[in-house]
Amino acid sequence: ETGVTQSPTHLIKTRGQQVTLRCSSQSGHNTVSWYQQALGQGPQFIFQYYREEENGRGNFPPRFSGLQFPNYSSELNVNALELDDSALYLCASSSIAGGTYEQYFGPGTRLTVT
Amino acid sequence: KNEVEQSPQNLTAQEGEFITINCSYSVGISALHWLQQHPGGGIVSLFMLSSGKKKHGRLIATINIQEKHSSLHITASHPRDSAVYICAAPPCSSNTGKLIFGQGTTLQVKP
Repeated sequence: ETGVTQSPTHLIKTRGQQVTLRCSSQSGHNTVSWYQQALGQGPQFIFQYYREEENGRGNFPPRFSGLQFPNYSSELNVNALELDDSALYLCASSSIAGGTYEQYFGPGTRLTVT
Repeated sequence: KNEVEQSPQNLTAQEGEFITINCSYSVGISALHWLQQHPGGGIVSLFMLSSGKKKHGRLIATINIQEKHSSLHITASHPRDSAVYICAAPPCSSNTGKLIFGQGTTLQVKP
């Protein structure tokens, strides 16, 4: 059973650029949630994908978008990067079963916007 | 006031000490997660529990749903336990299982 993986580990981008972050969910999981964690803060929910459809969204602007693929891996895309987008981006996979939503986190992608 | 509150915010202990971190929440939840995050690192899920107690090695987590309170205990603490410990829960009002996080407890265990 493989765990949740994310790529890349670190990324440096310039303000105004676009970035794509990737997440491979744990085997058997059909749901991926994305979180943003700014330095010194707790993670904030960005959105969740369930069976390739967006299944809930936090308070993030439309320039944050995502995809989920048939194998349940997922991408987070951020357009028109701003300095405040610098953060650790975490994805978590889960299997919606019994309403318990146990989530397994990936190691995160550290994004720096300069 | 945050929907999920942790205490203490910072904790320093000597190796071998028994440690307790507390988490209180004000929303209805179906389960609560305890997570561990090392500096610069990703998050590791320690426990998910909806009632009673769970134990894994030197870690014990308890939850009292009626009192809306959970505790994480570390027995015989070790410097490698130094990390940020976070409680998080999916509110019942959400159908996505999105987690609301506490602010975290930064634990330092000194040798």
